[in-house]
Amino acid sequence: GDSVTQMEGPVTLSEEAFLTINCTYTATGYPSLFWYVQYPGEGLQLLLKATKADDKGSNKGFEATYRKETTSFHLEKGSVQVSDSAVYFCALTGGGATNKLIFGTGTLLAVQP
Amino acid sequence: EAQVTQNPRYLITVTGKKLTVTCSQNMNHEYMSWYRQDPGLGLRQIYYSMNVEVTDKGDVPEGYKVSRKEKRNFPLILESPSPNQTSLYFCASSLTTSGNTIYFGEGSWLTVV
Repeated sequence: GDSVTQMEGPVTLSEEAFLTINCTYTATGYPSLFWYVQYPGEGLQLLLKATKADDKGSNKGFEATYRKETTSFHLEKGSVQVSDSAVYFCALTGGGATNKLIFGTGTLLAVQP
Repeated sequence: EAQVTQNPRYLITVTGKKLTVTCSQNMNHEYMSWYRQDPGLGLRQIYYSMNVEVTDKGDVPEGYKVSRKEKRNFPLILESPSPNQTSLYFCASSLTTSGNTIYFGEGSWLTVV
């Protein structure tokens, strides 16, 4: 079945460092890909998405490109801030009847001042 | 403001005592679903509903019930909670199942002792 694999955390960075969180997927068909963020004590928020190959999703300085050839959707940010500390989830959905999101296990990012 | 609202946000209960977690959305979304989040497992879908009176099982439905009598509400029912249902629960909704953005509630922390 469909699955998402993302790098295990925690990822600890200093402020202004470059961030990459790796995400690869296995899916039949042409899934839509998402990054969700969960700040401490809060629910899930959609960070960005891409619905077809070579699409780049971006938001709040974060970017991810849908790479069909490598089945990847890595999250990047050029300069992280303390306020970016959160758990980041990569997810996919193939739509269809269930519209079910398949999530990775989440990566905790801790940014130190 | 568009939102998905869950209640209660935090609950400690005892084994076997029936409880209901309510979920309401104000976006006139057709599709609603429930997920549980567990460490190392990410989020997994419990049940989903494509419209009023239409519900179906997700990946981990055992021990749960749902109902969809009105479009805006999708309560999660634990008839006889057990400690392995201790988890963080999220309600989600989207306009339809066709790749629309999925919105999440803030989560409900449930502890069964």
